[in-house]
Amino acid sequence: ILNVEQSPQSLHVQEGDSTNFTCSFPSSNFYALHWYRWETAKSPEALFVMTLNGDEKKKGRISATLNTKEGYSYLYIKGSQPEDSATYLCASRGNTPLVFGKGTRLSVIA
Amino acid sequence: NAGVTQTPKFQVLKTGQSMTLQCAQDMNHNSMYWYRQDPGMGLRLIYYSASEGTTDKGEVPNGYNVSRLNKREFSLRLESAAPSQTSVYFCASSASSGGYNEQFFGPGTRLTVL
Repeated sequence: ILNVEQSPQSLHVQEGDSTNFTCSFPSSNFYALHWYRWETAKSPEALFVMTLNGDEKKKGRISATLNTKEGYSYLYIKGSQPEDSATYLCASRGNTPLVFGKGTRLSVIA
Repeated sequence: NAGVTQTPKFQVLKTGQSMTLQCAQDMNHNSMYWYRQDPGMGLRLIYYSASEGTTDKGEVPNGYNVSRLNKREFSLRLESAAPSQTSVYFCASSASSGGYNEQFFGPGTRLTVL
């Protein structure tokens, strides 16, 4: 089972701050990298699915980049708002089905 | 459009009891998955079904069985529940299992085994 690592484990930021998280995954046999947003008491919801080296995706204030050669992806949130508070999961698809990291828990303080 | 539905939402079992968790999707997806979520462990794949008629083991299949009843439904069975199976169980579906399609998750089932 491939290992997907996320850092930091948790993060507290002030409203209006911009922030970013890291997802590391094995670069060999790479198929796809997913980012999900998981709010407390809800289910994970997909933000992005990325497949190509150099991919950049954007949805509102949230964006993500992908480096498949070195095995990492960054998720950026610009101007954090309290409603951005959630756990952000990344997951990698290699030769096995999607493997999830443990997530980064973001708390945005108003 | 209900998406992915799961029943029950909550369940308490005694050690040794059996139960089946039900999952259904109405998005005409080919692939379905069962995950468990434990504190500090992230989502771990129990079993998945890449397409109707096929099922495969995931990372943590011991103590579980699955049935892909038809394209819509994918059930998870605990034959003899153990306290180690106390967890939150999520069902998910996607258009295909190749990783190129996002997964859609159900609301989860919180299971406690005493």
